[in-house]
Amino acid sequence: NAGVTQTPKFQVLKTGQSMTLQCAQDMNHEYMSWYRQDPGMGLRLIHYSVGAGITDQGEVPNGYNVSRSTTEDFPLRLLSAAPSQTSVYFCASSYSAQETQYFGPGTRLLVL
Amino acid sequence: EDQVTQSPEALRLQEGESSSLNCSYTVSGLRGLFWYRQDPGKGPEFLFTLYSAGEEKEKERLKATLTKKESFLHITAPKPEDSATYLCAVSGGGSNYKLTFGKGTLLTVNP
Repeated sequence: NAGVTQTPKFQVLKTGQSMTLQCAQDMNHEYMSWYRQDPGMGLRLIHYSVGAGITDQGEVPNGYNVSRSTTEDFPLRLLSAAPSQTSVYFCASSYSAQETQYFGPGTRLLVL
Repeated sequence: EDQVTQSPEALRLQEGESSSLNCSYTVSGLRGLFWYRQDPGKGPEFLFTLYSAGEEKEKERLKATLTKKESFLHITAPKPEDSATYLCAVSGGGSNYKLTFGKGTLLTVNP
């Protein structure tokens, strides 16, 4: 099993550009989530999904969109990048929201 | 709202010097408390899940314990390779779909 994979590993964007961060898991997990990690702030939940076709907002959803068309994939879209979205983004998955979440390696995003 | 506070923010130990990391939490109906290890430039790596007060789990030099208000991660005779940031998170009954993370403790073990 590859576990949770994320692409790209690193990305530089200009303000106003859009992009999609990819996340995939091969563990047949129903629950998937996106976090951002900033210095001194800890991990904060952006969006989550409890199954294919079902998504909801987390703590810091503004500026981000998600969709879940398959169990395996949970992409995160930045609609119009802003410098405040410079961060490290982690995707995680688990069998359910109450069970152990397993994290991907992260995507480092720099918005100029 | 669930809250997690980890202390200390940073801890420096000599190899072999045992110590403990603290995770204090406020949650409405604890469903689970999770410990993760994070190395620089990598994603959090799962260590332990604790579900009820009095529960303990061990893995190599690490032992996690849980009370109704806090959890401790005890590190016995640490080695330099134990250096990392240790993260604590809780899942509460009032926030079924969300983990609340603390800011972590940066542990450095000197040889």
